[in-house]
Amino acid sequence: AQTVTQSQPEMSVQEAETVTLSCTYDTSESDYYLFWYKQPPSRQMILVIRQEAYKQQNATENRFSVNFQKAAKSFSLKISDSQLGDAAMYFCAYRTLYGQNFVFGPGTRLSVLP
Amino acid sequence: GAVVSQHPSWVICKSGTSVKIECRSLDFQATTMFWYRQFPKQSLMLMATSNEGSKATYEQGVEKDKFLINHASLTLSTLTVTSAHPEDSSFYICSAITTGGGPLAQHFGDGTRLSIL
Repeated sequence: AQTVTQSQPEMSVQEAETVTLSCTYDTSESDYYLFWYKQPPSRQMILVIRQEAYKQQNATENRFSVNFQKAAKSFSLKISDSQLGDAAMYFCAYRTLYGQNFVFGPGTRLSVLP
Repeated sequence: GAVVSQHPSWVICKSGTSVKIECRSLDFQATTMFWYRQFPKQSLMLMATSNEGSKATYEQGVEKDKFLINHASLTLSTLTVTSAHPEDSSFYICSAITTGGGPLAQHFGDGTRLSIL
């Protein structure tokens, strides 16, 4: 079974600085999808970024980018120019190529300091 | 973008009553919907997978008779917590996935905070 690990329960970053959230996963599959979701205090789950494992190019969405290291089974999220609105729980998630369900990591709580 | 509506957002009820939570996909057809439970400061725990027109698939440890799931149409799934007790108090989130494959993300509802007195 696949597992997702987020080793940082809590992180903090100064406003306008850059922070990296780590995620590792375990799978025997060669093709799959990876996601980062953000859950602010409102508790709504918001998709931040997604990555297809068969693509070598790291995904980027505005201030959010990932460092996908397939061999190391690592999928970290970099947030540049951090804003107060980035404060939230961040969940890393894995999905098999033909599956439907996600496997979520335990989450990292990010605080942004003014 | 794809929108999933979940209702109600917050419900308080007495122990022993049943509570129904609705999850609707507003602008797409969702062949599959998922129901999650989230305890404070924890991750999402999958409770069951709901496929339109068929019985839901429950995760190990989830009581089928306690958490009734119905997915009668391509846009609506319901979760009924039967004979609710205080230990059932939690945050429940539904999500829906569109038809087809590819790196489709799950689209989440805004969640339902259930408090059983």
